[in-house]
Amino acid sequence: GENVEQHPSTLSVQEGDSAVIKCTYSDSASNYFPWYKQELGKRPQLIIDIRSNVGEKKDQRIAVTLNKTAKHFSLHITETQPEDSAVYFCAATPPPSNTGKLIFGQGTTLQVKP
Amino acid sequence: DARVTQTPRDKVTEMGQEVTMRCQPILGHNTVFWYRQTMMQGLELLAYFRNRAPLDDSGMPKDRFSAEMPDATLATLKIQPSEPRDSAVYFCASGGTGGHEQFFGPGTRLTVL
Repeated sequence: GENVEQHPSTLSVQEGDSAVIKCTYSDSASNYFPWYKQELGKRPQLIIDIRSNVGEKKDQRIAVTLNKTAKHFSLHITETQPEDSAVYFCAATPPPSNTGKLIFGQGTTLQVKP
Repeated sequence: DARVTQTPRDKVTEMGQEVTMRCQPILGHNTVFWYRQTMMQGLELLAYFRNRAPLDDSGMPKDRFSAEMPDATLATLKIQPSEPRDSAVYFCASGGTGGHEQFFGPGTRLTVL
């Protein structure tokens, strides 16, 4: 079955710097890759997603890139702010994609220092 | 603002007791997922339903866990008997037809002593 590996497990950056989190997946048939943000004690919430027919997607300060050949995708956060501090999870939808099933990475704890 | 709801929010129980967690998906959503979150294992998918029918429960320990959807507005996850290793936060999430986005509930924090 699908396996998703996420790196790094922890990331500390200075406010204003960029942060990059990387994930690799094993099933080349996976076609949907969301990123969720989970603040301490809260529920995970979708922040951005990308489908396999797209190489990059941006939404203000966050962007996701997908390399299907290498089977990896990355989250980029620019101009980081203290409120970006949270745990970030990547995920992949293995086939059959119509189930909506997600396999999550292990999470990255991002700390943005003011 | 439609949201997934879960009850109870916190549950402390003793080993061997039965635990029932409830989830109300967003109205109109036809897919419901149960996850367990621990520090060591991250977000593990336990089971999920489409149109109230179980699609996959391979992530669930069958001998003690059971999941059901008595109707379209209620999903339940039951543990009997509970064990200390079941201590975790249990999330329910729902999704709509044709979409992949999952909307998570606030979670049930379970502590088994």
